[in-house]
Amino acid sequence: DAGVIQSPRHEVTEMGQEVTLRCKPISGHNSLFWYRQTMMRGLELLIYFNNNVPIDDSGMPEDRFSAKMPNASFSTLKIQPSEPRDSAVYFCASSLGGRFGNTIYFGEGSWLTVV
Amino acid sequence: AQSVTQLDSQVPVFEEAPVELRCNYSSSVSVYLFWYVQYPNQGLQLLLKYLSGSTLVKGINGFEAEFNKSQTSFHLRKPSVHISDTAEYFCAVSDREYGNKLVFGAGTILRVKS
Repeated sequence: DAGVIQSPRHEVTEMGQEVTLRCKPISGHNSLFWYRQTMMRGLELLIYFNNNVPIDDSGMPEDRFSAKMPNASFSTLKIQPSEPRDSAVYFCASSLGGRFGNTIYFGEGSWLTVV
Repeated sequence: AQSVTQLDSQVPVFEEAPVELRCNYSSSVSVYLFWYVQYPNQGLQLLLKYLSGSTLVKGINGFEAEFNKSQTSFHLRKPSVHISDTAEYFCAVSDREYGNKLVFGAGTILRVKS
């Protein structure tokens, strides 16, 4: 079975440019999460969706970040404009929601470098 | 609010030796506890989880963890490690108050030496 699929795997962009990260969750999963991993702050939850609806976006760092989930099989995380401090690994994850304690499955990550 | 403390940032150990990676959590309600492993340049993979029932949980790759409610701990153990266990290990917690999202600890890098 295909796992969580993220693209691009690696992105290098210049400061000020728009960055769009994409995610396809595991088929049938109805909860989707975006995490950011940095050396300084570890793994941070940015936002999570349940049935395509954003439930908690309290981790989104600022207005430059936005996330959408137009349907059950696709989500985007957009940064506009990007800054060097946004350099991190961004993970998308999904789970079969509705039951607490369900396993969350992670993608391979999108490695973003803003120069 | 939930929080997770992993007491060791790095743990060096020789191959075939036992290892324990420590994790303490803070939560005011019933919790669900997880250990994930991250190999270099990869995503996170579930090792094991505690939801309820037996406090000793067995996972993949010979790892196990014990839930201790009185000490609010969920330490990960393996009786004999291999070079291939070199990775970063994350403890995580979720609870009913915060839904099914996970809060992660800072991670512990396990370095297995030959």
